[in-house]
Amino acid sequence: DAGVIQSPRHEVTEMGQEVTLRCKPISGHNSLFWYRQTMMRGLELLIYFNNNVPIDDSGMPEDRFSAKMPNASFSTLKIQPSEPRDSAVYFCASSLYSLAGPQETQYFGPGTRLLVL
Amino acid sequence: KQEVTQIPAALSVPEGENLVLNCSFTDSAIYNLQWFRQDPGKGLTSLLLIQSSQREQTSGRLNASLDKSSGRSTLYIAASQPGDSATYLCAVRGGYNFNKFYFGSGTKLNVKP
Repeated sequence: DAGVIQSPRHEVTEMGQEVTLRCKPISGHNSLFWYRQTMMRGLELLIYFNNNVPIDDSGMPEDRFSAKMPNASFSTLKIQPSEPRDSAVYFCASSLYSLAGPQETQYFGPGTRLLVL
Repeated sequence: KQEVTQIPAALSVPEGENLVLNCSFTDSAIYNLQWFRQDPGKGLTSLLLIQSSQREQTSGRLNASLDKSSGRSTLYIAASQPGDSATYLCAVRGGYNFNKFYFGSGTKLNVKP
């Protein structure tokens, strides 16, 4: 398996522009996570999907942030409008959760480095 | 709110040493605890996951222990190698709030040849 795939790997944009980050989870995984990592705040969970349904979005910082998961193999994180303080590395991770025998190990993608000027 | 602390923030050891990384958490009601490794400019790689009912997990030279009552976990690395140099993070999944994940700020390990 190719692992979790994220695109783009790097994004530089100007303040006010819309940014869309993409993630393809590992095939067969039913949980998907979006994280943000900065030097100041460390790693923060933004939103968590289970079976394509958003379960907890309390980590989404503002209404400027939105995430979707239209199917089991694709998710997007959108920032509109972007601001300089959104500059960070955004990670997507996936895992397989089952009540019968949870295999909760999260597998992370390589991340998208976002710089908002 | 759950708080996860990792001490020390950085550690430098000579090759071959056995070492212990520490992780503490304030709320003992956890679902599981996971140790990750992060190389510079890369994503996180899962090393070990311990369910709340378990006391330890082992993988190769790595051994992770969990003491829920004291709110502590340790990651033991035997016979350290320069290739072990990375940042090690622990993450706790909430017990009462199953949907919450809390990460420590990490310990940056440097193993000198």
